[in-house]
Amino acid sequence: AQKVTQAQTEISVVEKEDVTLDCVYETRDTTYYLFWYKQPPSGELVFLIRRNSFDEQNEISGRYSWNFQKSTSSFNFTITASQVVDSAVYFCALSEVQGAQKLVFGQGTRLTINP
Amino acid sequence: SAVISQKPSRDICQRGTSLTIQCQVDSQVTMMFWYRQQPGQSLTLIATANQGSEATYESGFVIDKFPISRPNLTFSTLTVSNMSPEDSSIYLCSVEGLNGVEWNEQFFGPGTRLTVL
Repeated sequence: AQKVTQAQTEISVVEKEDVTLDCVYETRDTTYYLFWYKQPPSGELVFLIRRNSFDEQNEISGRYSWNFQKSTSSFNFTITASQVVDSAVYFCALSEVQGAQKLVFGQGTRLTINP
Repeated sequence: SAVISQKPSRDICQRGTSLTIQCQVDSQVTMMFWYRQQPGQSLTLIATANQGSEATYESGFVIDKFPISRPNLTFSTLTVSNMSPEDSSIYLCSVEGLNGVEWNEQFFGPGTRLTVL
């Protein structure tokens, strides 16, 4: 069975600090997709990134970067120079490639950026 | 990405009643899903809404409690039947396969915040 673990329930940092959100996953599939979503206080779920299991290159998008390490089954998310607007709950998720592509979510990490 | 709307955005309902939530997409999509997010919790898939056939339910969810319709490629409904306070959650629809392409990028609607008294 697929499982996603986000061990950090809550993180609180001061603005401009860097912060890393951890994500560890379990799957028997050899091919799969990994995702990160952001859920701000308003409640909508905002898509951030999708990563194919074949692509282990790290990705950077502005202040966001993602570190995918297949050897440790981890897909960590780093925010550089955090801002108050980054405050949200962040979810890591996993989906199979074949079939219905349903998402299995981690428990989420509540990130609070203090001014 | 697709523009996804849900109605209602929020509702307060009495125990024992039913509520139907609508999900409308501005483009044809291959897959539509319904998720539940209980207070302070993560998202859990309820079912995959199949166009023209019965929905595929996940373990722990049944059609009698959560009937789903999907009459075409842009619209789906989820009904929460015979509600109890435990059904208080945010219900989100998601879509995948916009216009037949872009597999495995799921986009979510704004959610319906349901409170059952």
